[in-house]
Amino acid sequence: KAGVTQTPRYLIKTRGQQVTLSCSPISGHRSVSWYQQTPGQGLQFLFEYFSETQRNKGNFPGRFSGRQFSNSRSEMNVSTLELGDSALYLCASRREFTEGTEAFFGQGTRLTVV
Amino acid sequence: GDSVTQMEGPVTLSEEAFLTINCTYTATGYPSLFWYVQYPGEGLQLLLKATKADDKGSNKGFEATYRKETTSFHLEKGSVQVSDSAVYFCAPEGPSGGGNKLTFGTGTQLKVEL
Repeated sequence: KAGVTQTPRYLIKTRGQQVTLSCSPISGHRSVSWYQQTPGQGLQFLFEYFSETQRNKGNFPGRFSGRQFSNSRSEMNVSTLELGDSALYLCASRREFTEGTEAFFGQGTRLTVV
Repeated sequence: GDSVTQMEGPVTLSEEAFLTINCTYTATGYPSLFWYVQYPGEGLQLLLKATKADDKGSNKGFEATYRKETTSFHLEKGSVQVSDSAVYFCAPEGPSGGGNKLTFGTGTQLKVEL
């Protein structure tokens, strides 16, 4: 069974630009979460979507947004990019969003802002 | 909110040595507890989990026991291999907003040498 697919794998953008990252969850999984991973801050939760509704949001500025489509695929968007947005962005899918359900992670999108 | 404290890395061991990675957490109630592992260039993979007090999660020779009294979930392995070299993350999962959220520790890098 196919795993979580994130595209693109690598991205280089310039400060001030915007970027959209995509995540296709495992078939049958309805929950998609996004995390930002940096050497300094570690793994930080961005948001979680379930059945096209945002269920949960981390402490990130409004420049970070996301959405989920009816087929459970999710996108996250970062507008007005800053150098500090350079990070590995990880997407995770779960069958449900009930506690204790295993999250399956994609390989991530490495975003570099120059 | 939830928080996690993991021992600082990197931890360097010889092959066949005993491994302990300490993890303590603060959370509301009794969260589910997870250990995830990240191999170089990869996303995170679930290593093991425990969903209630005194449960022991185990996988690939790794074990961790949910200790409610000490709010700990220490990871152990009796004999590590070079292939175990990776970064290990402890993560409680608890309610947040309208869903549940994994809160990751800073990660502990393990290097196993011949």
